[in-house]
Amino acid sequence: DAGVIQSPRHEVTEMGQEVTLRCKPISGHNSLFWYRQTMMRGLELLIYFNNNVPIDDSGMPEDRFSAKMPNASFSTLKIQPSEPRDSAVYFCASSSLLSPDTQYFGPGTRLTVL
Amino acid sequence: GQQLNQSPQSMFIQEGEDVSMNCTSSSIFNTWLWYKQDPGEGPVLLIALYKAGELTSNGRLTAQFGITRKDSFLNISASIPSDVGIYFCAGRQAGGTSYGKLTFGQGTILTVHP
Repeated sequence: DAGVIQSPRHEVTEMGQEVTLRCKPISGHNSLFWYRQTMMRGLELLIYFNNNVPIDDSGMPEDRFSAKMPNASFSTLKIQPSEPRDSAVYFCASSSLLSPDTQYFGPGTRLTVL
Repeated sequence: GQQLNQSPQSMFIQEGEDVSMNCTSSSIFNTWLWYKQDPGEGPVLLIALYKAGELTSNGRLTAQFGITRKDSFLNISASIPSDVGIYFCAGRQAGGTSYGKLTFGQGTILTVHP
């Protein structure tokens, strides 16, 4: 089975530009999580969905960040406008509702905002 | 803020040696997980623990859910060069924390000398 798929793997953009990160969870998983990883703050949960519905977005840094999950097989994390401090690796993870804590991570998107 | 204290921060060992790392918290946790992250990749789930006192093995890896529910340990026996990477503990805090909302440790960087 394919694992969590993320695209792009790398993104370099200029400050002020819109950035969209994409994620396809493992087929059959009902929960999807977006994380950000930096050296200073480690792995931080940004937002997560159960059955396509956002459950907790308390980790989203500010209004420039938004996430959607239009269907069970696709989610996006958008940053608009991007800033240099948004540079980080963004991970998507998924899990089943039977075992929601057991999360499987994608390979990540390394975002660099110049 | 970060609620898990993971130690040691880094380890330099010789191939064949055993490794032990741990994660502690002042709060009680309902779930403990251990992940390994290779450079440029997402965290890979190694072991998941769901009950206090639980001892689970995965090949040369053994992890335990502490009796107090405030700590967890990961042991690697007979280390090999491919064990190199960053090991993260993660857990879901008791007391109403939503399923799936994990807190991560800061990681243990493991280097294995051939």
